[in-house]
Amino acid sequence: AQSVTQPDIHITVSEGASLELRCNYSYGATPYLFWYVQSPGQGLQLLLKYFSGDTLVQGIKGFEAEFKRSQSSFNLRKPSVHWSDAAEYFCAVVKAGNKLTFGGGTRVLVKP
Amino acid sequence: NAGVTQTPKFQVLKTGQSMTLQCAQDMNHNSMYWYRQDPGMGLRLIYYSASEGTTDKGEVPNGYNVSRLNKREFSLRLESAAPSQTSVYFCASSEISGFEGETQYFGPGTRLLVL
Repeated sequence: AQSVTQPDIHITVSEGASLELRCNYSYGATPYLFWYVQSPGQGLQLLLKYFSGDTLVQGIKGFEAEFKRSQSSFNLRKPSVHWSDAAEYFCAVVKAGNKLTFGGGTRVLVKP
Repeated sequence: NAGVTQTPKFQVLKTGQSMTLQCAQDMNHNSMYWYRQDPGMGLRLIYYSASEGTTDKGEVPNGYNVSRLNKREFSLRLESAAPSQTSVYFCASSEISGFEGETQYFGPGTRLLVL
């Protein structure tokens, strides 16, 4: 069965520091992978997605993610965090019929 | 474009009561989805509709029913609410039916509390 694991429930980072959020998946074939962000009280917004090709994917808001097949990982990174990046981040993998399976989420707190 | 809209934003129910959550999209999308979000579990798919006139079960369909009223609207009904259905419910839509990886666009959510 496909699954997505986000090992970190909470991460606290200082404004201006770098951020890396971990995502591990289990899937038999080449997965389609997504990162979504949910700001407080809001719905989910797509940050980026990976289908194939270049394993480093650029997204919106200065985020990028790297697909590593050997590690079954799709980690999200940002070089310099802004206070507005405080949110919950979800990694997801798609199944047949475009059904998403989400990880449990990582809540990011940004210290001034 | 309003995108995906959901009503109500917040609802309190007593155990055994029924209610319908409404979802509409104005992007002319073919596929629509209902998810529930619970702490530490991410979002889980309840039901989806690949295209107008079709619906299918997702990961956690028990206790729910859906109706794809037309291309724009996809409602979720709780016939007899239970405390375990306390959650935040999200509706989403995507443009192309059955295309894996098509971006899903989410509504703002409905927060439901069942006492």
